[in-house]
Amino acid sequence: NAGVTQTPKFRVLKTGQSMTLLCAQDMNHEYMYWYRQDPGMGLRLIHYSVGEGTTAKGEVPDGYNVSRLKKQNFLLGLESAAPSQTSVYFCASSSSGYNNEQFFGPGTRLTVL
Amino acid sequence: GENVEQHPSTLSVQEGDSAVIKCTYSDSASNYFPWYKQELGKRPQLIIDIRSNVGEKKDQRIAVTLNKTAKHFSLHITETQPEDSAVYFCAASEEDSWGKLQFGAGTQVVVTP
Repeated sequence: NAGVTQTPKFRVLKTGQSMTLLCAQDMNHEYMYWYRQDPGMGLRLIHYSVGEGTTAKGEVPDGYNVSRLKKQNFLLGLESAAPSQTSVYFCASSSSGYNNEQFFGPGTRLTVL
Repeated sequence: GENVEQHPSTLSVQEGDSAVIKCTYSDSASNYFPWYKQELGKRPQLIIDIRSNVGEKKDQRIAVTLNKTAKHFSLHITETQPEDSAVYFCAASEEDSWGKLQFGAGTQVVVTP
């Protein structure tokens, strides 16, 4: 099993450009999450999904959109990138939302110039 | 919403000594408290967790204690080794929150030989 994978690993954007980050998991998990990690701020939840076709806002959703068309995939979109979105993005999944371990992907390092 | 504070932000220990990291949380409804370890350039990985019906949990050299009355929990690492050097994150979650985790800001632990 590959676990949780993320594409791409690195990306540099110019302000105003758009992009989509892909998260895939092969563990048949229902719950998926997108976090951003910034120095000194821990991991902050952007959006999450409790099953195929569902999405919900987390702590810092502004400037991002998500989609969960297939159970194994969770996409994070930036429609018009801003320098403040420079960060490391982690996807995670868990089998259920109740006190269960979240398995993280390897991360995507995004720089917006 | 939940707020998790973590101290210290950095911790330097001599190999073989113990390390203690403390976290406080604000929401008395939180009932799940995981700890994640993140090595440099890697993904966060769960190392231990505790639920609110338990006061202490051990796993080899790692232990976590929970004081629900005071709303704080701590990670204890005994007989530290160089491979314990990493950033450690505490987190808290409520039962009815779809598994959403509120993370602390992290503690950089450096174990010197």
